[in-house]
Amino acid sequence: EAGVAQSPRYKIIEKRQSVAFWCNPISGHATLYWYQQILGQGPKLLIQFQNNGVVDDSQLPKDRFSAERLKGVDSTLKIQPAKLEDSAVYLCASSPRQVVGLHEQYFGPGTRLTVT
Amino acid sequence: GNSVTQMEGPVTLSEEAFLTINCTYTATGYPSLFWYVQYPGEGLQLLLKATKADDKGSNKGFEATYRKETTSFHLEKGSVQVSDSAVYFCALSGRTGTASKLTFGTGTRLQVTL
Repeated sequence: EAGVAQSPRYKIIEKRQSVAFWCNPISGHATLYWYQQILGQGPKLLIQFQNNGVVDDSQLPKDRFSAERLKGVDSTLKIQPAKLEDSAVYLCASSPRQVVGLHEQYFGPGTRLTVT
Repeated sequence: GNSVTQMEGPVTLSEEAFLTINCTYTATGYPSLFWYVQYPGEGLQLLLKATKADDKGSNKGFEATYRKETTSFHLEKGSVQVSDSAVYFCALSGRTGTASKLTFGTGTRLQVTL
């Protein structure tokens, strides 16, 4: 079974530029997550999709971050304009239909963003 | 809100030493608890999990027991190997409305030397 795919793996941009990340979840997984992992910290959830609907985006900085999951499969996360503090690894994860009390997520390799 | 506290690293051990990485949590209700591992250059992988009090999760020689009375989920391994060198994250799963999400600790880096 193929895992969660992400691209690009690395990206370097200057502040105020825009950037987009792509994620392809495991086939059949209804739930998709984007996390931000700043160096030395644990992953922080940015947004959660159930199929193509958003169920939690409470920690997404909506003035500069946006995400979509068209057709309930692939997803893109965009930052525009980027700030220095956005330097982090952006992780995508997916999971099968949620079962209360049993919540396993499968993570992709991440995209390491450096904003200069 | 929900939170997870892990012991700070790095933890440096010799091969075959005993490992303990402490994890405590604060949560409402009855969360599920997880340990994830992140090897250099790779994404997070689920190591083990426990879904209710007194459950013991185990995998690859690692174990952790869900202790509700002490709100803890400490990770242990009897004999570590160099290949266990990685960052270990404790996490809990809680529900907020219709959303169920993971809250992670800050991670503990383990370095195992020969």
